[in-house]
Amino acid sequence: KNEVEQSPQNLTAQEGEFITINCSYSVGISALHWLQQHPGGGIVSLFMLSSGKKKHGRLIATINIQEKHSSLHITASHPRDSAVYICAVRPNTDKLIFGTGTRLQVFP
Amino acid sequence: GAVVSQHPSWVICKSGTSVKIECRSLDFQATTMFWYRQFPKQSLMLMATSNEGSKATYEQGVEKDKFLINHASLTLSTLTVTSAHPEDSSFYICSARDFQGSTDTQYFGPGTRLTVL
Repeated sequence: KNEVEQSPQNLTAQEGEFITINCSYSVGISALHWLQQHPGGGIVSLFMLSSGKKKHGRLIATINIQEKHSSLHITASHPRDSAVYICAVRPNTDKLIFGTGTRLQVFP
Repeated sequence: GAVVSQHPSWVICKSGTSVKIECRSLDFQATTMFWYRQFPKQSLMLMATSNEGSKATYEQGVEKDKFLINHASLTLSTLTVTSAHPEDSSFYICSARDFQGSTDTQYFGPGTRLTVL
């Protein structure tokens, strides 16, 4: 079993839909990252969380440390949101542990 | 916000040649830089961790003589793929950690796509 599990693995949505991507982990962490990777490869860091909730534009990320769970929400989804979303956790070491990613496609 | 750049963004080379990839933190000093490799439709795989002025720490199975890492300053790390072979073709991503005081954030570069013919 992976230390970081994401669900779903693949997600399709119609433009405008509310999207939720989940991340569960099994290790103690000091921080959790949500990353976005577009076709072509470049990675953008969306959020880094250690507690609570963060919002940036249409993106919201939440984390529940006790339940070892985080969610990434996209409101009013748009085709340009199509990408792979990756959850990565930082245990009490230097190294991030990555989830396998959620591939999102938003259709017009 | 903070930015990490990589150069080149893509490179095609002949088998047996060496390729150098640069990673720079543009508006912060990176206490630690990481080099990752990503195969198609797979997650990032950590290759090595480097701290400025000291030798890189390589992950198990990564040949340090094959993948030379130099972290000469707090804003620059380089990865040299020596005597590249087609199986080295991959997407290489660097990441820089800004860990000072109450700040602890990790930023990713845009990646370098290496194709070895």
